[in-house]
Amino acid sequence: QVQLQESGPGLVQPSETLSLTCSVSGYSLTGHSYWGWIRQPPGKGLEWIGSIYQTNSIYYNPSLKGRLTLSGDKSKNQLSLTLTSVTAADTAVYYCARDLGLEGRFDPWGPGTLVTVSS
Amino acid sequence: QSALTQPASVSGSPGQSITISCTGTNSDIGGYNYVSWYLQHPGKAPKLLIYDVSSRPSGVSDRFSGSKSGKTASLTISSLQAEDEGHYHCTSYTSGDLLIVFGGGTKLTVL
Repeated sequence: QVQLQESGPGLVQPSETLSLTCSVSGYSLTGHSYWGWIRQPPGKGLEWIGSIYQTNSIYYNPSLKGRLTLSGDKSKNQLSLTLTSVTAADTAVYYCARDLGLEGRFDPWGPGTLVTVSS
Repeated sequence: QSALTQPASVSGSPGQSITISCTGTNSDIGGYNYVSWYLQHPGKAPKLLIYDVSSRPSGVSDRFSGSKSGKTASLTISSLQAEDEGHYHCTSYTSGDLLIVFGGGTKLTVL
């Protein structure tokens, strides 16, 4: 059974860098699967951030390209998200999920972690 | 790239059927059969209900069904139950750099 768990700082200062980790259990990142990141600002809808395949094929939401880096660590079976120059607009619950084919089909999801950008 | 369009809210009584629409363009819903639906309860992660327009993952009730006509996808919930209350999100594959686009979400209230 695949399980995911996000972890991160909770509070990030404006203009700083947001770093999140997603620990994956029940499936190896060396396997044939995509993994996605999705975020949800408070009270708003979901937004696809990006997806990664076997830690080496990476797809980004163009609205975040230039600030966003996704990566994976096969030895730790962890995914990572780094977002630079954050603003209040980046305040959201961040989810990682297994991406079943780059078609919008995400299952399962981690519980999510709230990141607030504020001074 | 605009988000898919969903009604902000819908409501229904227990036992009734309701339908939630999700409208896109020929670059997403109208061009591909890659529409998924999710149910999100407050404070929880979304749960996959429907994928590839009308397929249900194992364990999802057959009270949930999906369909598509042109640029609009629909989720129908039959025999409405109190536990169906929550936010429903649609998503689709889209051509171009974005790849995956979500709707704004629909709040379902069971009266």
